[in-house]
Amino acid sequence: GAGVSQTPSNKVTEKGKYVELRCDPISGHTALYWYRQSLGQGPEFLIYFQGTGAADDSGLPNDRFFAVRPEGSVSTLKIQRTERGDSAVYLCASSSGKGLAGVNEQFFGPGTRLTVL
Amino acid sequence: GNSVTQMEGPVTLSEEAFLTINCTYTATGYPSLFWYVQYPGEGLQLLLKATKADDKGSNKGFEATYRKETTSFHLEKGSVQVSDSAVYFCALSVRSSGGSNYKLTFGKGTLLTVNP
Repeated sequence: GAGVSQTPSNKVTEKGKYVELRCDPISGHTALYWYRQSLGQGPEFLIYFQGTGAADDSGLPNDRFFAVRPEGSVSTLKIQRTERGDSAVYLCASSSGKGLAGVNEQFFGPGTRLTVL
Repeated sequence: GNSVTQMEGPVTLSEEAFLTINCTYTATGYPSLFWYVQYPGEGLQLLLKATKADDKGSNKGFEATYRKETTSFHLEKGSVQVSDSAVYFCALSVRSSGGSNYKLTFGKGTLLTVNP
């Protein structure tokens, strides 16, 4: 497809369970970002990949959160021992990674709505 | 750190009314500024952007001017339509030193409802 896709679109899980959220970026985009959007808030940065490596994971809230991008394309956000406070929409965005005059447009996926019961 | 403060909604207008959504920011470094829009049931879309002081971003009748002296980037539209009903987010990015990280810092969003 032409845009960023995320699966699943909705995920309901129980407290304490493990979940994986998948992001397929636009083909050829080297930069990939994960954000979390809680109800009534703007998206908050979680982690940034340039290629296969996590170049900035300063937004991950704690060590229950982890993300990988093993081949520099698809990325998976992994959450262990989920808590009710993890409920949010998780957004993925990709960009070409080639900034011009400080601008590097990010293209967002539709998000995964995670609900932890 | 970086932060964005935008006018809290909801904002309700009649069709053809004038729109202003205020946005101010604080940033370490020289930010690029953005407005994103989220239509009902859809993902975030870039509406407009500005990269340096006094730049005006524009798209679909919306405009915003990068004001460094007041650290502001207010969104305006002269005549709104029902189809403009959406959540609007002001955002900034500051490129990491020597890197290519353009992570975005968003405001909380403003819900706009336009009635016919």
